[in-house]
Amino acid sequence: QQQVKQSPQSLIVQKGGISIINCAYENTAFDYFPWYQQFPGKGPALLIAIRPDVSEKKEGRFTISFNKSAKQFSLHIMDSQPGDSATYFCAASKRGGYQKVTFGIGTKLQVIP
Amino acid sequence: GAGVSQSPRYKVAKRGQDVALRCDPISGHVSLFWYQQALGQGPEFLTYFQNEAQLDKSGLPSDRFFAERPEGSVSTLKIQRTQQEDSAVYLCASSLQGLRLAVRNTGELFFGEGSRLTVL
Repeated sequence: QQQVKQSPQSLIVQKGGISIINCAYENTAFDYFPWYQQFPGKGPALLIAIRPDVSEKKEGRFTISFNKSAKQFSLHIMDSQPGDSATYFCAASKRGGYQKVTFGIGTKLQVIP
Repeated sequence: GAGVSQSPRYKVAKRGQDVALRCDPISGHVSLFWYQQALGQGPEFLTYFQNEAQLDKSGLPSDRFFAERPEGSVSTLKIQRTQQEDSAVYLCASSLQGLRLAVRNTGELFFGEGSRLTVL
C-alpha cells in the first residue's frame, strides 16, 4: 500500500506562478520528510526537508508547509521557472533507524514560459 | 569519484537471463541503498547495507533478487532469470551516516543516475 500519498501526479504552471504539491501520510512513526527533485535520466536529488517539530521551512523559492495533526505536508515553489520543470517526490522516513526513505508516486511539473 | 556511479546505465536482457548491476557509492559513505523505480512511479526500497552488512532486504520482490557489498564499498544487485516485470530503473543511493548515528534521521541520500533494465 502507498504509505505516502502524493497529488497531483502532473502539474502545469506558468512562469512566475506558484506550484503546489501535496502529500499525506498515515504512519505516525515518520519523523523526517524530505522532498526530492528528479530530472529525466538522473537520480533524485534532495531539494528540501522538514522535521515535524516545525510547521514551515523555507529555502529560497521553495517552502515546505507541515501540518502534523492532519498528517499532511506540501511543497510550494514560488516564482516558478522553466528550469524547475522536473518530477518532485515527497518522502518520509522513520525515527530511530537508518534513513530508509519511503517515496510518494511523484508529481511531474512543467513550467511553461 | 564525486558522486554515486552506477553501471551499466542501460541493460537489455532476454527473459530468463541473469543480470548484474553495479554501484560505486561516494567514498566513505557507510549506508548504501538499492531502490527500484518503475516507469511513472516513485522509487521503491529494495535493500539496505551498513558497510558490508545487509541489514534490511525486506523490499526484494523475490528470491531471484540478490545484493551484496562484500568489502563495504562497491555493491552489486543481481537478478536471476529476469522477467518482464523486472523492467525498471534500479537506483543506488549512499549516505554518510550509519545506524548508530541515524537517531536524528537527518541523513541525505545521494542517488546515482540509475541502471535502466529492459527485459524482452
